[in-house]
Amino acid sequence: KAGVTQTPRYLIKTRGQQVTLSCSPISGHRSVSWYQQTPGQGLQFLFEYFSETQRNKGNFPGRFSGRQFSNSRSEMNVSTLELGDSALYLCASSLEVETGSGANVLTFGAGSRLTVL
Amino acid sequence: GQNIDQPTEMTATEGAIVQINCTYQTSGFNGLFWYQQHAGEAPTFLSYNVLDGLEEKGRFSSFLSRSKGYSYLLLKELQMKDSASYLCAVPLGWGKLQFGAGTQVVVTP
Repeated sequence: KAGVTQTPRYLIKTRGQQVTLSCSPISGHRSVSWYQQTPGQGLQFLFEYFSETQRNKGNFPGRFSGRQFSNSRSEMNVSTLELGDSALYLCASSLEVETGSGANVLTFGAGSRLTVL
Repeated sequence: GQNIDQPTEMTATEGAIVQINCTYQTSGFNGLFWYQQHAGEAPTFLSYNVLDGLEEKGRFSSFLSRSKGYSYLLLKELQMKDSASYLCAVPLGWGKLQFGAGTQVVVTP
């Protein structure tokens, strides 16, 4: 079956612009999480959505937002881009077996690599 | 939050064994994950331990000691394709994994 699909794979933006990234989860997976990966900070959790509701959120400023649609597809948006937002943005979906604890296997997409100039 | 420590880099030769240690501090424990990430690729799931002891899965094994806040990933019969970053992570609620910085394993001929 198809994996987690993220688009676009690569994009270049300038400071002050905004960007929208898209994620299609594995069919049947209703939980979608977003992560930022940088060489300095590693993998950092942004937020998680389930049934169109944000259930969990990491420590990122309000410029980072997301949403989930009724078909479980998700988008994340970063407004007023800063140089430090340059990163690989990874989306992951899971078949939620364990509720609440987060102890579910995440399947990651290939990521969207954002460069901010 | 959590504090997760793992070595930055390890080098080993083909056919050898490498053990990657991971220590963590957590107030509520819901298991520990290991993921593998090749350069430029997505992390992929390797193992999940929630009870103490060793779990073997082919050439890879993972061990957990909850009382010591300690886990390790054991890679046996190393192959060149095992060169990758190995990340340990603890779950912290819906969709959230707290990852260590990752251990870069370099396999040499």
